[in-house]
Amino acid sequence: QVRMVESGGGVVQPGTSLRLSCATSGFTFDNYGMHWVRQAPGKGLEWLSLIWYDGIDKYYADSVKGRFTISRDNSKNILYLEMNSLRAEDTAVYYCAKSRDDQTGEYWGQGTLVTVSS
Amino acid sequence: DTQMTQSPSSLSAYVGERVTITCQASQDINNFLKWYQQKPGEAPKLLIYDASKLETGVSSRFSGSGFGTHFTFTISSVQPEDIAIYYCQQYDGLPPITFGQGTRLEIK
Repeated sequence: QVRMVESGGGVVQPGTSLRLSCATSGFTFDNYGMHWVRQAPGKGLEWLSLIWYDGIDKYYADSVKGRFTISRDNSKNILYLEMNSLRAEDTAVYYCAKSRDDQTGEYWGQGTLVTVSS
Repeated sequence: DTQMTQSPSSLSAYVGERVTITCQASQDINNFLKWYQQKPGEAPKLLIYDASKLETGVSSRFSGSGFGTHFTFTISSVQPEDIAIYYCQQYDGLPPITFGQGTRLEIK
């Protein structure tokens, strides 16, 4: 079965960096685009970034463009989100999500909490 | 970027009642719209994709319709387990992908 497990969250100070990971299994990782989505406490969902199956094309929300970098290691089936120059408003639960298709559906991880606070 | 305006922001319904949520896109998104259900402490769950297609394993009391800029999501007979926040999401063309603000469903 599909498993997606985020890790790397924690409490960090403003201006610092953090790297999130999303370890996956149960599907052919290098066949699918992968997303990061976040949710600030008590707020709605915000799409952040998409990386194409081959890692070549990447897209970002304006709110994180230039500060966050999405990447993937198809040999390890892991998705990453490198977050730099973190701000208090980046405090959120960060989810990874697998693009949907008719064969395997769409899956989300359980999320990892990032808290940016001094 | 395409903005999604979802309404109402909250609603309260009796068990067995029919409820409808709407989502308005700021530009034509064809049928590239999803509906999600999110329960407290959980990741969002996909219910509807391509505006009207029911995701595998999802109850048939959930349905969606619409095309272009106006979309609706309906629960035909609300059940206690449907207490959640519901979001629309557009995915037309290249990103950015955008979500509606969410609708909180409560049971009377």
